[in-house]
Amino acid sequence: NAGVTQTPKFQVLKTGQSMTLQCAQDMNHEYMSWYRQDPGMGLRLIHYSVGAGITDQGEVPNGYNVSRSTTEDFPLRLLSAAPSQTSVYFCASSRRGVATNEKLFFGSGTQLSVL
Amino acid sequence: GQQLNQSPQSMFIQEGEDVSMNCTSSSIFNTWLWYKQDPGEGPVLLIALYKAGELTSNGRLTAQFGITRKDSFLNISASIPSDVGIYFCAGQRTGNQFYFGTGTSLTVIP
Repeated sequence: NAGVTQTPKFQVLKTGQSMTLQCAQDMNHEYMSWYRQDPGMGLRLIHYSVGAGITDQGEVPNGYNVSRSTTEDFPLRLLSAAPSQTSVYFCASSRRGVATNEKLFFGSGTQLSVL
Repeated sequence: GQQLNQSPQSMFIQEGEDVSMNCTSSSIFNTWLWYKQDPGEGPVLLIALYKAGELTSNGRLTAQFGITRKDSFLNISASIPSDVGIYFCAGQRTGNQFYFGTGTSLTVIP
């Protein structure tokens, strides 16, 4: 199993450009989520999904869109990139959609710079 | 948003020494997770704790779920150079959302 796979590994954008960060998992996990990691801030939740067709906002959703058309994929879209979105982005998944006592598994991250 | 208070922020230790770090919150959690992150990589799960008072080991790592359910501790015994990295705690209450600490950066001096 590959686990959680994120692409690309690195990306540089100009202000105003759009792009999609890809995330796929092969563990048949119901729950998928996106975090951003900034120095001194820990990991902050952007959006999450508890199953195909269901998405919800996390702590810092502004400027980002998501969709969940399949169980495996959970892309994150930046419609108009801003320098404040320069960060490292992580996709994470867990087995069940709505539950406690879960384990969260992370991808290897996408480092995004917006100039 | 809610963040967990993780301390210390950084540690510099000699190889062979033991390490202790902790995570505290003003809220009760049902699950505590501990992760290690290497440079340029995603966090990797080390230990998961599900019950108050639970003590769980993974090799040289031992973690405990605090009795009050508001804190958790991670100990590393006999540190080695490959223990270098950033260690994160994460707590989950009900539902799905996980809350993360700001990390403890560990440097092991050979």
